[in-house]
Amino acid sequence: EDKVVQSPLSLVVHEGDTVTLNCSYEVTNFRSLLWYKQEKKAPTFLFMLTSSGIEKKSGRLSSILDKKELFSILNITATQTGDSAVYLCAPPNFGNEKLTFGTGTRLTIIP
Amino acid sequence: EPEVTQTPSHQVTQMGQEVILRCVPISNHLYFYWYRQILGQKVEFLVSFYNNEISEKSEIFDDQFSVERPDGSNFTLKIRSTKLEDSAMYFCASKDDNNSPLHFGNGTRLTVT
Repeated sequence: EDKVVQSPLSLVVHEGDTVTLNCSYEVTNFRSLLWYKQEKKAPTFLFMLTSSGIEKKSGRLSSILDKKELFSILNITATQTGDSAVYLCAPPNFGNEKLTFGTGTRLTIIP
Repeated sequence: EPEVTQTPSHQVTQMGQEVILRCVPISNHLYFYWYRQILGQKVEFLVSFYNNEISEKSEIFDDQFSVERPDGSNFTLKIRSTKLEDSAMYFCASKDDNNSPLHFGNGTRLTVT
């Protein structure tokens, strides 16, 4: 069965700090890894990673995948209160259309 | 930007009643999904739908659940006889091809009393 583990489960930092969120996975026929941000309602898409070692960036957020070690990290620099959310990762695989989400990391930014 | 829309945003029903949760996926999308999230827990996969049929379903999606795409725009989830443990946020999602990310609606909060 596919397994997704995110760490830490919860993180509280001050505004301006940099954070690193981790996602490790065990998935057969790995295809890609997706990161989502969930505030009060729907998960919103952040990144899709398919290749090892290539960093994807969007503003203060960046993410990278290591397919050999089976993990991904999501970095947020100069955090703002609007970054407070649950961050979810999900690794879909070939032949299987569903996303299996991890439990997420709850990030709280203190002003 | 096009988005997935869900109605109603909140539904309260009595145990044993039937409910239909409605979704309008993004118009050119071909793959449709329902997920649920019980308060404080993970987002869990229920069912995926492609080419007018269910392509995969989870153990949660038992005979009490069904999905339908009655026309070219709507995608519905029906729960025939609701139970207290069906109380959750139900998310609809869609994507345009198999290699694209899912786009989620804002969810319907179902409360079964």
